[in-house]
Amino acid sequence: QKEVEQDPGPLSVPEGAIVSLNCTYSNSAFQYFMWYRQYSRKGPELLMYTYSSGNKEDGRFTAQVDKSSKYISLFIRDSQPSDSATYLCAMSRGNTGKLIFGQGTTLQVKP
Amino acid sequence: KAGVTQTPRYLIKTRGQQVTLSCSPISGHRSVSWYQQTPGQGLQFLFEYFSETQRNKGNFPGRFSGRQFSNSRSEMNVSTLELGDSALYLCASSLASGGDQPQHFGDGTRLSIL
Repeated sequence: QKEVEQDPGPLSVPEGAIVSLNCTYSNSAFQYFMWYRQYSRKGPELLMYTYSSGNKEDGRFTAQVDKSSKYISLFIRDSQPSDSATYLCAMSRGNTGKLIFGQGTTLQVKP
Repeated sequence: KAGVTQTPRYLIKTRGQQVTLSCSPISGHRSVSWYQQTPGQGLQFLFEYFSETQRNKGNFPGRFSGRQFSNSRSEMNVSTLELGDSALYLCASSLASGGDQPQHFGDGTRLSIL
């Protein structure tokens, strides 16, 4: 079993929809949680970075972490065709820079 | 502010050869990590360097090695290339070592082994 599980999709939504992306994990030692967006032929771009449990909002993006359930989410409001990409969750322990990634979810936002 | 720069962007090699990939971190960043991305395995951690010292290493064979220079630039070397080494190799930099530092990625070097 992988340390981080993420549904690869693909997920297709109409423009303007609210998108929910999720990851579950098994290692309770993870303390830092990230969401990256990756366009084709590009490197991952950091979208959200959170520590421990709670919510964090940045524009149309909201990240949620529930450490008790070992579950993290990314919500995208008012989704746009330009949001079409692969979204990767990642997490790490406090004492190492090693990131553990989910498989990534491919999102398509249709005009 | 310039981002993480990786060179070259594309490489084609044959089995048995060796290859060196280069990474220039964001100015001021002192930690550099390397990852391998493949369709089957996703993103996997190779190693992390900070102040010219390897801080962490992933589960890859010894054919994969790296180093960091005093200006924080890093190189990664793969010897005796195998077909399975075909992948996108990504470099990420952060201000310092540790999980509390967000990592920023370059666009990678796509390595194809014939």
